[in-house]
Amino acid sequence: KAGVTQTPRYLIKTRGQQVTLSCSPISGHRSVSWYQQTPGQGLQFLFEYFSETQRNKGNFPGRFSGRQFSNSRSEMNVSTLELGDSALYLCASQVQGDTNTGELFFGEGSRLTVL
Amino acid sequence: AQTVTQSQPEMSVQEAETVTLSCTYDTSENNYYLFWYKQPPSRQMILVIRQEAYKQQNATENRFSVNFQKAAKSFSLKISDSQLGDTAMYFCAFMKLGYNTDKLIFGTGTRLQVFP
Repeated sequence: KAGVTQTPRYLIKTRGQQVTLSCSPISGHRSVSWYQQTPGQGLQFLFEYFSETQRNKGNFPGRFSGRQFSNSRSEMNVSTLELGDSALYLCASQVQGDTNTGELFFGEGSRLTVL
Repeated sequence: AQTVTQSQPEMSVQEAETVTLSCTYDTSENNYYLFWYKQPPSRQMILVIRQEAYKQQNATENRFSVNFQKAAKSFSLKISDSQLGDTAMYFCAFMKLGYNTDKLIFGTGTRLQVFP
């Protein structure tokens, strides 16, 4: 069974640009979450999608947005990039329903550098 | 709001020895999960061990075990017979229990170095 796949793995952008990151969850997983990891702030929750609906949202500005498609794949977008957006963006998927154990399965992340 | 605290930024241990990583948390919830996740250098985060708060018995997974003290809100991880491959960042995390599960709240992590 393939794991969580994130693309691209590395990218460099300049201030003011926008970026789109993609995440394909494990087959059968309908919930996808996004986390930002930085040395200063640690791991912070961005948002979670289930059945194409955003169920939870973290404390990030409106420049951060996401969506989920009918095949459970998810994208997140950051507009008007700032230097502080440089981070490792992690996607995680989980099973929902009676078999949910709470375990999140993480991808390898997309490392974004903003210059 | 829930918080998770890891007070040991870095730890080191010799191969084959035992090491304990500390974690405390704060919550008013009664039903929740606690996790230890491992993030090796430049590799993806993986689950080490999981504990349901309603279970009194401490979880174990091979060389990994936890000491879960619900009243004290403490959740430490013990790694026995440490191996070089255990070198990684270790994150303690909290999640509310339920069908519509909430986000993971992470601690700041403990960097563990295993020496030969």
